[in-house]
Amino acid sequence: KAGVTQTPRYLIKTRGQQVTLSCSPISGHRSVSWYQQTPGQGLQFLFEYFSETQRNKGNFPGRFSGRQFSNSRSEMNVSTLELGDSALYLCASSLVGDRYEQYFGPGTRLTVT
Amino acid sequence: GENVEQHPSTLSVQEGDSAVIKCTYSDSASNYFPWYKQELGKRPQLIIDIRSNVGEKKDQRIAVTLNKTAKHFSLHITETQPEDSAVYFCAASGPSIQGAQKLVFGQGTRLTINP
Repeated sequence: KAGVTQTPRYLIKTRGQQVTLSCSPISGHRSVSWYQQTPGQGLQFLFEYFSETQRNKGNFPGRFSGRQFSNSRSEMNVSTLELGDSALYLCASSLVGDRYEQYFGPGTRLTVT
Repeated sequence: GENVEQHPSTLSVQEGDSAVIKCTYSDSASNYFPWYKQELGKRPQLIIDIRSNVGEKKDQRIAVTLNKTAKHFSLHITETQPEDSAVYFCAASGPSIQGAQKLVFGQGTRLTINP
């Protein structure tokens, strides 16, 4: 099976702009979670989607949002970008039910200038 | 909410020796504890996990132990090899509704294997 894929892999934006990142889960996986990874804060949970519904949300401002489509692909959006949003954004997919294992994509490296 | 503490932040061992990384968690309801390995510039890779109904799990040179009473779990790597050099993250997750999972990660341990 193909692994989790994310596009784009690298992105440079300026402050105030918005950005949309995409994630395609492993075939058959219906849950998609998003994480932000920075050297200072480590890996932090953003939100989780299943069946096009956000079921869990981390402690991030409302500028961070996401959605999931009927084919389980997910997007996350960050509006009004700030310098502190520079990070590696990782998505992870998993089956549902009692299978908890999450498998990560390669990430999108976002740089805000 | 859940909080996961991981120690040490850096660890250097001689090739062939064992390495141990420890994590503590705060939420007694947490029931799933995965470990991820992240090499430089690569994605976190799930290497082993344990659920709260099990005390220990092994996979070749890697083992994880869980002490629910003390709320801590550990990763043990035996006969370390240079390719084990990476950053290792522990994580914890609580009860979920139909898999609505939220992983809370430790801060990571940079493991260096010296030849």
